[in-house]
Parts: sequence; structure tokens; C-alpha cells
Amino acid sequence: EVQLVQSGAEVKKPGESLKISCKGSGYSFTSYWIGWVRQMPGKGLEWMGIIYPGDSDTRYSPSFQGQVTISADKSISTAYLQWSSLKASDTAMYYCARLAGSSNFDYWGQGTLVTVSS
Amino acid sequence: DIQMTQSPSSLSASVGDRVTITCQASQDISNYLNWYQQKPGKAPKLLIYDASNLETGVPSRFSGSGSGTDFTFTISSLQPEDIATYYCQQYDNLPMYTFGQGTKLEIK
Repeated sequence: EVQLVQSGAEVKKPGESLKISCKGSGYSFTSYWIGWVRQMPGKGLEWMGIIYPGDSDTRYSPSFQGQVTISADKSISTAYLQWSSLKASDTAMYYCARLAGSSNFDYWGQGTLVTVSS
Repeated sequence: DIQMTQSPSSLSASVGDRVTITCQASQDISNYLNWYQQKPGKAPKLLIYDASNLETGVPSRFSGSGSGTDFTFTISSLQPEDIATYYCQQYDNLPMYTFGQGTKLEIK
């Protein structure tokens, strides 16, 4: 069974750093792109970027380029999303999802809620 | 950049009704369009891929059609468990995976 399990909710202060994770199982982790999607409170879905764990090739949405870093450790089948300096506007639910072929996100993690507040 | 415009933004319908949501792309995207369902407090779920293909395990009351710039998502007979927000998503302009703004579906 394909599963993506994300790390737990985080509460951080502005300016702090953060790295959240997404662990894949039940399939060949290095053979599928993993994407990250943001959902701000009460809002829609925004695609942030994708990574191919096989070689760590990474692509970003222009809206998120330079704002976050996506990485992966194929040895433990885990993808990451990180911030070096959080802002209150980073408060959101973040989902990872597996990209089937190059077209659709067929399996999703349960989401990680990030709250940034002073 | 390709923009995706969904309509309506919200919709109220009765159990058993036929429900239709549209998604319009700002340029021709062939059939490179998917539809997702997101129930409250849950992760999105893929329902339709490549504009008209039903994902495995998804009930047949859900369907999709269209190509080019105009797409339609239909629920043939609305069920109470279909209450959710529905999103279209294009993948013509790789690696951009733009989502529509969503359609919130409620029971009347």
C-alpha cells in the first residue's frame, strides 16, 4: 500500500527555521517525483515545487522560489520542506503528494499544520 | 503563466441532483487536466485524470469532460458524502501544476 506520512504539527515564532518531512512507503521512492502543496487557512491549493528523489532534481513554482527549500534523502525514503526564517504568512497546512508520471498527484500525505506566531 | 478559472466558487444542491462545475484555462492545455476532491479537514483526493479518466476506486457518478480550454466536472446524482471542495489542476505547462481556486459544494 502506497503511503506518505508527514511529520507532526509545528508551532514556531517568526524568524525561526523549520524542516518538515514526508516519508514514503509501499512503492519505489526514487522513481516518482514528490510535490509540496500549500493551503493557507480557508484558502485553496497552491503548488510549491517538486523533487525527484532518485537524483534530487528539484523544480520550484516561481511564487516559492527562494522562499523554501525542498530536499530528499533517498536512503530513508523521505522528502523535506524547509524554511530558514519563518514569517507569520507561512502559517498554513502543507501537503506532500506523489506525482504519477508527470501529470497528477495520486497519493497525498495527511498534511502538516505549521503555525507561525509571536 | 496558465490561469485556471473555476465556476461557480460555491454551489448548493439537493441529494440526487446533477451537479456541474466548470474549469476554464487561459490557453489551450489539450486534455492535461485533473480534478480533486477535498473533504473538510482531509487531504485532497484525485478523482479524474487527463480530463476524463476515472481514478481507480472512484464511484462512477463522477465524470469529467472537455479539452482545449473548457472542462466540465459532473456528479450525476449528488450524495451526502460528496460534500467537499473540488479543484481542477492543469499540467500542460510543466513543471507548473496550477490549481483552480476551488468550488465548495454544499447540500441544500
